[in-house]
Amino acid sequence: DAGVIQSPRHEVTEMGQEVTLRCKPISGHNSLFWYRQTMMRGLELLIYFNNNVPIDDSGMPEDRFSAKMPNASFSTLKIQPSEPRDSAVYFCASSTRQGSDTQYFGPGTRLTVL
Amino acid sequence: GDSVTQMEGPVTLSEEAFLTINCTYTATGYPSLFWYVQYPGEGLQLLLKATKADDKGSNKGFEATYRKETTSFHLEKGSVQVSDSAVYFCALSDRGSSNTGKLIFGQGTTLQVKP
Repeated sequence: DAGVIQSPRHEVTEMGQEVTLRCKPISGHNSLFWYRQTMMRGLELLIYFNNNVPIDDSGMPEDRFSAKMPNASFSTLKIQPSEPRDSAVYFCASSTRQGSDTQYFGPGTRLTVL
Repeated sequence: GDSVTQMEGPVTLSEEAFLTINCTYTATGYPSLFWYVQYPGEGLQLLLKATKADDKGSNKGFEATYRKETTSFHLEKGSVQVSDSAVYFCALSDRGSSNTGKLIFGQGTTLQVKP
């Protein structure tokens, strides 16, 4: 089975530009999580979905960040406008159902905002 | 709220040395406990898990025992290899009333194994 797929793997953009990160969860998984990893703050949960519905977005840093899950096989994380402090590795993870423990992570998108 | 605390790194060992990475947690209810590993340039991978007190999770020579009395889940390996060099994350699941499947991670511990 294919694992969690993320694209792009690397993104370099200039401050003020819009950035869209994409995630395809493992087929059959009902929960999807977006994380951000930086040296300073470690691994942070940004938002998660169950059955395509956002459950908790309290980790989203500010209004510049938004996430959608239009169907069970696709999610996006958008940053508009981007800022240099958004530079990080963004991970998507999925799990089988609400309350299931094990999360499976994608390879991440390394975002650099100049 | 729930939280996980790991020993600070980096941990530097010689090949074949014994490894312990400490992890303690604070939680309401009865969480599951996890160790994830992140190799350079990759995402996190589940290494092992334990779902209830006194359970021992094991994989690839790594072990950790769920100790409710000391609220700990220390990771151990008897003989490390250079290929074990990675960042190790301890985590617990949110099994409160909402039972969301949300994981709470520790800050990660970098392990470097030298030949």
